[in-house]
Amino acid sequence: GAVVSQHPSWVICKSGTSVKIECRSLDFQATTMFWYRQFPKQSLMLMATSNEGSKATYEQGVEKDKFLINHASLTLSTLTVTSAHPEDSSFYICSALRTDEAFFGQGTRLTVV
Amino acid sequence: GENVEQHPSTLSVQEGDSAVIKCTYSDSASNYFPWYKQELGKRPQLIIDIRSNVGEKKDQRIAVTLNKTAKHFSLHITETQPEDSAVYFCAARPGSGYSTLTFGKGTMLLVSP
Repeated sequence: GAVVSQHPSWVICKSGTSVKIECRSLDFQATTMFWYRQFPKQSLMLMATSNEGSKATYEQGVEKDKFLINHASLTLSTLTVTSAHPEDSSFYICSALRTDEAFFGQGTRLTVV
Repeated sequence: GENVEQHPSTLSVQEGDSAVIKCTYSDSASNYFPWYKQELGKRPQLIIDIRSNVGEKKDQRIAVTLNKTAKHFSLHITETQPEDSAVYFCAARPGSGYSTLTFGKGTMLLVSP
């Protein structure tokens, strides 16, 4: 199947710093990627839709200035958590669509201390 | 927008028993319904999907049924094994191409030996 790679797998950062998470489609071009947040024992909550070459579309309640998304190429989307706080600690996971099927990255465990 | 309800939230069965997970959706325009399996700490993986022009699809021990009139679809796992233990997510997507998936809240399936 298609491969989506997410990096890093885990990161610990201090409050107030920014963290960048990368999502790459390794063997196909993805004009659209999706960023999700997953709390323990909970479902995948869509944060934003990343569109190559244009602005991301954010879901209601997601702060655009806090979660910066850049989709500069057909194989790379990045999510930057700016001025991170402990409440931003979570599991972030991206996905990319190839035809109808969604392929997920391995996720990033963010811990803000 | 689409709303997907999934039940039960947890399901415990004995090895060899069958397991059924049910989902309902709200948007009659939805026409693609995948099921994902997520093992602890890992990415969701597609296990089976069904489109709105089909009522049932089977792949070895797993099957999915779709009732468009009632707007619900179900995952059936027969002869369960301990390695089936995971969180299962249903999803629905209206239209085609690059529209996003809306996920159910997930079902934690525990298969006891």
